[in-house]
Amino acid sequence: AQTVTQSQPEMSVQEAETVTLSCTYDTSESDYYLFWYKQPPSRQMILVIRQEAYKQQNATENRFSVNFQKAAKSFSLKISDSQLGDAAMYFCAYRPPQGGSEKLVFGKGMKLTVNP
Amino acid sequence: KAGVTQTPRYLIKTRGQQVTLSCSPISGHRSVSWYQQTPGQGLQFLFEYFSETQRNKGNFPGRFSGRQFSNSRSEMNVSTLELGDSALYLCASRHRDRGRGTEAFFGQGTRLTVV
Repeated sequence: AQTVTQSQPEMSVQEAETVTLSCTYDTSESDYYLFWYKQPPSRQMILVIRQEAYKQQNATENRFSVNFQKAAKSFSLKISDSQLGDAAMYFCAYRPPQGGSEKLVFGKGMKLTVNP
Repeated sequence: KAGVTQTPRYLIKTRGQQVTLSCSPISGHRSVSWYQQTPGQGLQFLFEYFSETQRNKGNFPGRFSGRQFSNSRSEMNVSTLELGDSALYLCASRHRDRGRGTEAFFGQGTRLTVV
């Protein structure tokens, strides 16, 4: 079974600084999808960034970028120029390949605090 | 475009009762999945529906059930509620027909408290 591990339960960062959130996963598949979701106090899960495993290029969305290391099964999220609005729970998630389940497998999450 | 709508937002029930939660997906999305979120277990997959058919089910007891209607709206039901069923229940919809890379959009959840 696929598993997703976020080893850091909490992190803090100063406003305008850069922070990296780590995530590792385990799968025997070669084609799959990885996501980072953000859950602010409003509880709504919001997609931050996605990565297709068959793409070697790391995904980037404005201040958010990933470091995808397929062989190491590592998928870290870098947040640059941190803002107060980035404070939230962050979840790393895995989705199996085409034809598989719609099921997302989530890590335990990491609480990010942004200090002014 | 309206997002995923879950009703009710909050619910308090007594042990032994049953409860029904509703989820209206984004227009055009035919895939609906349900997740349970608790502080101890995190986010756990309950089940997924596509075109009114349950495609996959998580490791939950038979007290947890669901269904999907022809308009893609979905309901989940929990019978004989237990204290441990207290959780945030999240629904997600996706435009499955547009390929597997498309994201799942989540609702704001239903906070169920069992007393």
